[in-house]
Amino acid sequence: ETGVTQTPRHLVMGMTNKKSLKCEQHLGHNAMYWYKQSAKKPLELMFVYNFKEQTENNSVPSRFSPECPNSSHLFLHLHTLQPEDSALYLCASSQDGSGGQETQYFGPGTRLLVL
Amino acid sequence: AQTVTQSQPEMSVQEAETVTLSCTYDTSESDYYLFWYKQPPSRQMILVIRQEAYKQQNATENRFSVNFQKAAKSFSLKISDSQLGDAAMYFCAYRSAQAGGTSYGKLTFGQGTILTVHP
Repeated sequence: ETGVTQTPRHLVMGMTNKKSLKCEQHLGHNAMYWYKQSAKKPLELMFVYNFKEQTENNSVPSRFSPECPNSSHLFLHLHTLQPEDSALYLCASSQDGSGGQETQYFGPGTRLLVL
Repeated sequence: AQTVTQSQPEMSVQEAETVTLSCTYDTSESDYYLFWYKQPPSRQMILVIRQEAYKQQNATENRFSVNFQKAAKSFSLKISDSQLGDAAMYFCAYRSAQAGGTSYGKLTFGQGTILTVHP
């Protein structure tokens, strides 16, 4: 595997379900991000992890719970979601602090549908 | 807070022709990065080109080049010799380069421009 991978690619869940999205980066980066992309809206940053520590929570509802066990893996745990949470969830990673290498590289996304 | 504006929701171009996508941004910072990302129907967000604000020279990557006007806060993308594979949604994005700032690490995206390439 190369780059940034995300599983599953598609997910359908009911409002009472609990599911998790997984992201893995194979680039040796130290920062990882979750973004939400809804129809007709710009990408919204949700969470930032730098060296496994959460450095940003962009006012995301508590029904979204991130977890970063190490610098290569990032999870987004979902519970009691609402239909308006249906969107494409994108994971990204970057190598921060090395002077000019802060470009973020994205995974293919998980298309989530909440019924 | 920084904002990024793409005023062209849709653009079209004939194959082999040149097209320019517009982007403007608002910031009070002097040190930052600007990016163009491409998102084809597969939804994979792919980096097209990046520009460091401290560099006066416009970035180029093969058929892709930018016109970076720092004073005007403008960052347009020019695609030369357009190909069918260039058809996608294009996003302009801003990232602060000021370490330790509250916005460091955040990518702020524009609304996107859908580019159609006609054969």
